[in-house]
Amino acid sequence: EAGVAQSPRYKIIEKRQSVAFWCNPISGHATLYWYQQILGQGPKLLIQFQNNGVVDDSQLPKDRFSAERLKGVDSTLKIQPAKLEDSAVYLCASSIRPGLKTYEQYFGPGTRLTVT
Amino acid sequence: EDKVVQSPLSLVVHEGDTVTLNCSYEVTNFRSLLWYKQEKKAPTFLFMLTSSGIEKKSGRLSSILDKKELFSILNITATQTGDSAIYLCAVGSGNTGKLIFGQGTTLQVKP
Repeated sequence: EAGVAQSPRYKIIEKRQSVAFWCNPISGHATLYWYQQILGQGPKLLIQFQNNGVVDDSQLPKDRFSAERLKGVDSTLKIQPAKLEDSAVYLCASSIRPGLKTYEQYFGPGTRLTVT
Repeated sequence: EDKVVQSPLSLVVHEGDTVTLNCSYEVTNFRSLLWYKQEKKAPTFLFMLTSSGIEKKSGRLSSILDKKELFSILNITATQTGDSAIYLCAVGSGNTGKLIFGQGTTLQVKP
């Protein structure tokens, strides 16, 4: 079974530029998550999709971050404009629903973003 | 505010040692507690615990949950250099699958 795919793996941009990340979840996983992991911290949830609807985006900085999941499969996360404090690893994860299995989230390799 | 706290933040041991990693939590609407191992890439799932006092075991790793005292421990026996990683504790909250992560424990196992 193929895992969660993400691209690019690394990205370096200057502040005020824009950037986009792509994620393809495990086949059949209805729920998709985007996390931000700053160095030395645990992952922090940015947004959660159930199929193509948003379940939780309470911690997404909506003035600069946006995300979509068209057709309930692939997802993109965009930052525009980027700030220095956005330097982090952006992790995508997916899980099966319903029930307790939904907490078993499977992560992609992440995109390491450096903003200079 | 929900929080998950792990201790110690970092640990250095030698091969063959036994280590115990701690995770305490204050989370509303607790549903489950999970442990992940993170090397230089994605976190990989280790255990999910939902009931107090029932040990989960996989090889040299084991974990147990205490829902009364609001903590969990992860034990690793006979450590190997391949166990070097960041170990993340996360708590599942509510019915949507939301996970709240601790800051992680960085384990280094020296030969």
